[in-house]
Amino acid sequence: NAGVMQNPRHLVRRRGQEARLRCSPMKGHSHVYWYRQLPEEGLKFMVYLQKENIIDESGMPKERFSAEFPKEGPSILRIQQVVRGDSAAYFCASTQGNTEAFFGQGTRLTVV
Amino acid sequence: GIQVEQSPPDLILQEGANSTLRCNFSDSVNNLQWFHQNPWGQLINLFYIPSGTKQNGRLSATTVATERYSLLYISSSQTTDSGVYFCAVSDRISGTYKYIFGTGTRLKVLA
Repeated sequence: NAGVMQNPRHLVRRRGQEARLRCSPMKGHSHVYWYRQLPEEGLKFMVYLQKENIIDESGMPKERFSAEFPKEGPSILRIQQVVRGDSAAYFCASTQGNTEAFFGQGTRLTVV
Repeated sequence: GIQVEQSPPDLILQEGANSTLRCNFSDSVNNLQWFHQNPWGQLINLFYIPSGTKQNGRLSATTVATERYSLLYISSSQTTDSGVYFCAVSDRISGTYKYIFGTGTRLKVLA
């Protein structure tokens, strides 16, 4: 029973490029959450999705960031026109609903 | 939104010592979890504990939901316990299941 799978584990992008981060939830989980962790800081909530729906995007920056969780396939966090300040670890978590959350190993994004 | 505070922010222990980490939250919660983030950045589930007491080896946790706090106990600490310990809660008010994280307790265990 695979856990939450994130890829890639490490991603390097030049300023102005696009970054796409993928997350496959645990089997049987239909709720996905994205978090961002800056160096030496805690995890900040970004967005909460169920299949084909964004439930809560209160932590998502208004520009350049978007997320989706299609009917088929993984959830995608997309960052357009990346800047150095986007460099961080991005974690995905999944739940069955109002239950225990399990996290993936994260994607470490470096913008050069 | 709900506020989550953890104390102490930093802790240095000699191997074999015991410690207590605290998590205070500002409102009623649906869920509470403790995580360990190891030096490689991996988040490890320690306890899912909205209320009551649980034990797993050298670790135990207690949540007193009515008084809005949770405690994580580490006994006979080992160097592999080093890392950051996070408390995360999901609240009843917002109507969503998202978890809000505290700022963490950074633990270093010395050999």
